[in-house]
Amino acid sequence: DTAVSQTPKYLVTQMGNDKSIKCEQNLGHDTMYWYKQDSKKFLKIMFSYNNKELIINETVPNRFSPKSPDKAHLNLHINSLELGDSAVYFCASSKGSHPSNTEAFFGQGTRLTVV
Amino acid sequence: KNQVEQSPQSLIILEGKNCTLQCNYTVSPFSNLRWYKQDTGRGPVSLTIMTFSENTKSNGRYTATLDADTKQSSLHITASQLSDSASYICVVSERDDYKLSFGAGTTVTVRA
Repeated sequence: DTAVSQTPKYLVTQMGNDKSIKCEQNLGHDTMYWYKQDSKKFLKIMFSYNNKELIINETVPNRFSPKSPDKAHLNLHINSLELGDSAVYFCASSKGSHPSNTEAFFGQGTRLTVV
Repeated sequence: KNQVEQSPQSLIILEGKNCTLQCNYTVSPFSNLRWYKQDTGRGPVSLTIMTFSENTKSNGRYTATLDADTKQSSLHITASQLSDSASYICVVSERDDYKLSFGAGTTVTVRA
């Protein structure tokens, strides 16, 4: 009955590989996000989708491609993985579409390690 | 550039003691400020959210204060418990923009 769930929790892969992280929310929220938390613990928003439409796309390499098959799912696909992609990736969802005035609920994170 | 700075970077306290975490920001125009608690290996969980007109807000043993004039906020933990061991993140948002500025967090360790 987890509100925001993402899989896998841990992902270790070699440079150059392509990998996906899945996220699902059962809160009935309209907006979903992907955040990246680097080694210094800073969280940065990467993407935001509202009702399957992309509304926020920060300066993220185009190797990262989010896909939202429906408003309850937002998957993150990463091509040609690089060492610098190693981080913890958090999925989140919110009721409203504006992250600055709506509370976000976060998943448990996916620790990606590129070797 | 909008920034959020938190201090201290980490602290250790004994169970039952109080502590205060600081957050200074330069985000403008200001919309709201939030404190999140992030347990190790988990996603952040919202503790409080305060708008410009709010000076203080409590959530159980957590009390957040906001001084929008000096652009400072604090999070006070009363009668700490072992379960309070976590990273506490201050997040400030701009008015009329989607941007959120995250602090690096303060890691609190509560020892028995």
